[in-house]
Amino acid sequence: GAVVSQHPSWVICKSGTSVKIECRSLDFQATTMFWYRQFPKQSLMLMATSNEGSKATYEQGVEKDKFLINHASLTLSTLTVTSAHPEDSSFYICSANPARGGQPYEQYFGPGTRLTVT
Amino acid sequence: GESVGLHLPTLSVQEGDNSIINCAYSNSASDYFIWYKQESGKGPQFIIDIRSNMDKRQGQRVTVLLNKTVKHLSLQIAATQPGDSAVYFCAENNNAGNMLTFGGGTRLMVKP
Repeated sequence: GAVVSQHPSWVICKSGTSVKIECRSLDFQATTMFWYRQFPKQSLMLMATSNEGSKATYEQGVEKDKFLINHASLTLSTLTVTSAHPEDSSFYICSANPARGGQPYEQYFGPGTRLTVT
Repeated sequence: GESVGLHLPTLSVQEGDNSIINCAYSNSASDYFIWYKQESGKGPQFIIDIRSNMDKRQGQRVTVLLNKTVKHLSLQIAATQPGDSAVYFCAENNNAGNMLTFGGGTRLMVKP
């Protein structure tokens, strides 16, 4: 149980285009989903916290107009990287916090999406 | 032995030996600590967690030790196997919600 999927697993796009990444909790409902970015050989950096039905909370330094997050249902959150530039190339990972049961800090991670902007 | 790479310290151990991966955390108010394993190109996998009112917790082949006095966390892996090769991250939850703050990570390389 507690499986989180991401789609696509990798994407290559041209500079200036937008890319949407989906995060789904497959066998549980998630009131909260988190989006992380990870550069090579570095740790996960939290970008934003996404709560179902409300606006996402962005971490300091993360542009909310560039990284659009939508959490329309208890099993789906999307991250759209708008007007992507090569410096946005990174590994984007989502995680989901179960709506019921478990510890408040419990997060199940997706497999990640590798974004390359050319 | 340990070496410090460009961004990620590396611990190299012989198969069958025990591994100890260390983590220093910053927030004395953190209530839960979690260890994750991340294989190349994949998301983090939960290994074990420990609450701040404990100093030791054991799982299958893994033990987590918590020293709140010096804000230090360690993960011990017994009889390390090639499949244990990965990057290991500690994370802390500061009891102010459900957010996690990740440490820098350590790459574990297991030599056959």
